[in-house]
Amino acid sequence: DAGVTQSPTHLIKTRGQQVTLRCSPKSGHDTVSWYQQALGQGPQFIFQYYEEEERQRGNFPDRFSGHQFPNYSSELNVNALLLGDSALYLCASSFAATGAGNTIYFGEGSWLTVV
Amino acid sequence: GNSVTQMEGPVTLSEEAFLTINCTYTATGYPSLFWYVQYPGEGLQLLLKATKADDKGSNKGFEATYRKETTSFHLEKGSVQVSDSAVYFCALSVPAGKSTFGDGTTLTVKP
Repeated sequence: DAGVTQSPTHLIKTRGQQVTLRCSPKSGHDTVSWYQQALGQGPQFIFQYYEEEERQRGNFPDRFSGHQFPNYSSELNVNALLLGDSALYLCASSFAATGAGNTIYFGEGSWLTVV
Repeated sequence: GNSVTQMEGPVTLSEEAFLTINCTYTATGYPSLFWYVQYPGEGLQLLLKATKADDKGSNKGFEATYRKETTSFHLEKGSVQVSDSAVYFCALSVPAGKSTFGDGTTLTVKP
């Protein structure tokens, strides 16, 4: 049973460019959340997708957008990249029906460096 | 809003020493509480969790008790090993699954 898988694992982009990160949730999970983890900090919630819609959003600008597909996989898009967007981007999946106590599974992350 | 505060690191211990990493939280409603561990260059792994007051989560010798009266979820281990060296994150989750994390505590265990 594959866990949460993310791609690419590492990438380097130039300021102003756009990036797309991809995530496949753990089998059986229907909810995908994205987090940004800057160096030396804890993960910060970007947004969550359920039933192909954005259900919650953290304090991130509109440059950050996402999508969830019918197979529950998800993409995170960041436009007009800034140096400060350099971080580890983590995808987490869960099963909505189990509520707040459900275990959230994280992928290994995508390391984005903006130069 | 919800928040999690962890003791500042880094923490350096000798092998077989006792570990405590403090965590307190602020939340509306009844959150679930978690400890995650992150090894260098890797994603987050769930270490343990507790879903209601007085619950004790435990795994791999680590324990934490959900204390509603003190809004705390301190992580403890009786005898740490070199392999426990990692960054530890305390987190809370509310219904609909959004998680709020602390800033992490780096643990280094020396032989």
